[in-house]
Amino acid sequence: DPKIIQKPKYLVAVTGSEKILICEQYLGHNAMYWYRQSAKKPLEFMFSYSYQKLMDNQTASSRFQPQSSKKNHLDLQITALKPDDSATYFCASSQDGGGAGYTFGSGTRLLVI
Amino acid sequence: GQQVQQSPASLVLQEGENAELQCNFSSTATRLQWFYQRPGGSLVSLLYNPSGTKHTGRLTSTTVTKERRSSLHISSSQTTDSGTYFCAMERGTGGLSGKLTFGEGTQVTVIS
Repeated sequence: DPKIIQKPKYLVAVTGSEKILICEQYLGHNAMYWYRQSAKKPLEFMFSYSYQKLMDNQTASSRFQPQSSKKNHLDLQITALKPDDSATYFCASSQDGGGAGYTFGSGTRLLVI
Repeated sequence: GQQVQQSPASLVLQEGENAELQCNFSSTATRLQWFYQRPGGSLVSLLYNPSGTKHTGRLTSTTVTKERRSSLHISSSQTTDSGTYFCAMERGTGGLSGKLTFGEGTQVTVIS
């Protein structure tokens, strides 16, 4: 069973619309993150949350808003979508101080048309 | 800023051959993790190796933090090993920050 569930797996959105990407982890981790993988670019860190609090934000645009309703949830709301937002968005988690590194979800592939 | 450079950019192997992927990073005091991704696929953690040598299956990673480098050795390659291998580093000595900096990856193709 997948330990990090991301929904939906694929998403097509119209320019200017708003979408929410869902992420739930069942690893018991206290920290969760979002990364983005655009075409021909390395994966880029976006946000980190620890115990449902924002720790770091490397996303310049306020159109990207993480939402954490529970310790094991970290959704990503994207407003006023643009074609440049097209990418695969990965959720990840870790246990602070642990020696196992990071676990990534399977990603949500977003296409903005 | 932090940079991660991987080499080679791509690699073609005959099934059964071994391969060594290299990762060099610009910062010290790092933690390093190797990942694997199939085209359009999820990112799978292979080895978390902040220092020293670690093994899993046919994979061996050696990280020399002082020299800012890590390698991933694939032995007896199989066609199912085809995909992109990423190394990612994190700067820091405290708790995990989540701020991994990824390399651009090495695309591995294993042919039978």
